[in-house]
Amino acid sequence: LAKTTQPISMDSYEGQEVNITCSHNNIATNDYITWYQQFPSQGPRFIIQGYKTKVTNEVASLFIPADRKSSTLSLPRVSLSDTAVYYCLVGEHASGGSYIPTFGRGTSLIVHP
Amino acid sequence: GAVVSQHPSRVICKSGTSVKIECRSLDFQATTMFWYRQFPKKSLMLMATSNEGSKATYEQGVEKDKFLINHASLTLSTLTVTSAHPEDSSFYICSAREDGSYEQYFGPGTRLTVT
Repeated sequence: LAKTTQPISMDSYEGQEVNITCSHNNIATNDYITWYQQFPSQGPRFIIQGYKTKVTNEVASLFIPADRKSSTLSLPRVSLSDTAVYYCLVGEHASGGSYIPTFGRGTSLIVHP
Repeated sequence: GAVVSQHPSRVICKSGTSVKIECRSLDFQATTMFWYRQFPKKSLMLMATSNEGSKATYEQGVEKDKFLINHASLTLSTLTVTSAHPEDSSFYICSAREDGSYEQYFGPGTRLTVT
């Protein structure tokens, strides 16, 4: 499994854009990149998944460079409720496959008023 | 989206007793479910992969006789912590993947406190 490296913590303010970068130097050809959000005492919640270039949904964007050795989760105009831990996971596309989500240390994002 | 539930949400038990935690996929079938444990301010640690109709696959260092996993149907997996001790106190989270899908759905977690 590809190992991921993220900043341990980040601070931001309400209304700002937050970018969290994850390094995954030994990502494999079949691996996808998935980001989860976790609030205290809750299970992780899926945010976004991508393979290459850019993916956007209603809550975030995911930017993946051509070499795929890193990825950046972008949260537009964060609010206090975005304070959470964000995990970057890398693994084989799981459609009928054997992908097992393995969590790294995650990034603790604190949004200040 | 798909929903995974866990029961109970929190439980307190005495040292030496056993506790069962249920994980259910409410609106989809899941051949495979996963059990994680999370200590305060730490990441999720995969304990085992639960396979419907067969034995669970445990991660290295996880005692299979202490953490009994049963996946009796496509919508239910149970984790039984046997002879619980205070060091087993933790947040236990399950996840499930709908057959044919790539997205993992996580349960809300179960807070276990062993006194």
